[in-house]
Amino acid sequence: GAGVSQSPSNKVTEKGKDVELRCDPISGHTALYWYRQSLGQGLEFLIYFQGNSAPDKSGLPSDRFSAERTGGSVSTLTIQRTQQEDSAVYLCASSLAQAGQQYFGPGTRLTVT
Amino acid sequence: KQEVTQIPAALSVPEGENLVLNCSFTDSAIYNLQWFRQDPGKGLTSLLLIQSSQREQTSGRLNASLDKSSGRSTLYIAASQPGDSATYLCAVSPNNAGNMLTFGGGTRLMVKP
Repeated sequence: GAGVSQSPSNKVTEKGKDVELRCDPISGHTALYWYRQSLGQGLEFLIYFQGNSAPDKSGLPSDRFSAERTGGSVSTLTIQRTQQEDSAVYLCASSLAQAGQQYFGPGTRLTVT
Repeated sequence: KQEVTQIPAALSVPEGENLVLNCSFTDSAIYNLQWFRQDPGKGLTSLLLIQSSQREQTSGRLNASLDKSSGRSTLYIAASQPGDSATYLCAVSPNNAGNMLTFGGGTRLMVKP
């Protein structure tokens, strides 16, 4: 497709379980970002990948959160031992270059029960 | 730490009115500023991107201005329509490596027919 895609669109999980969220960026985009949007915190940055450089993980809220980007394309955000406060919409974005316009996917709505 | 504030948090106007949404940021050392639109349950759509060296950008009925030294941006919407109803988000990127965005809390706009 032409845009950023994310899967699943919705995920309900029990507290303590691990979840994986997937992002397919726009083809050719070297930069990829994960953000989280929650009612109490608004939209906040989580992690940033640029080409083959080490990711900027400065926004990850705890060590239960991790992300990888394979082959410079698809990215997976993993949340281990989920907590109720992890419930949010997780948004992925990509850009053609490091400082370029960011294009967002539709998000994954995560609900931890 | 960069902080972005948007005023008002919510706005309701009759169709046809011109309106202004405000965004302020605390650290003027930004690389660029973006305005996004978010419809309920959807991802973000980029409306306008202003580089730090620019003063304004226009797209159709939208005009965004940037005063970097005073830490302010405005989004002007001319001749508002019910289809403009959405949440509008302002975001800035830092003036250093990486392009993670810091978002404001958004302005929820309702345009009444």
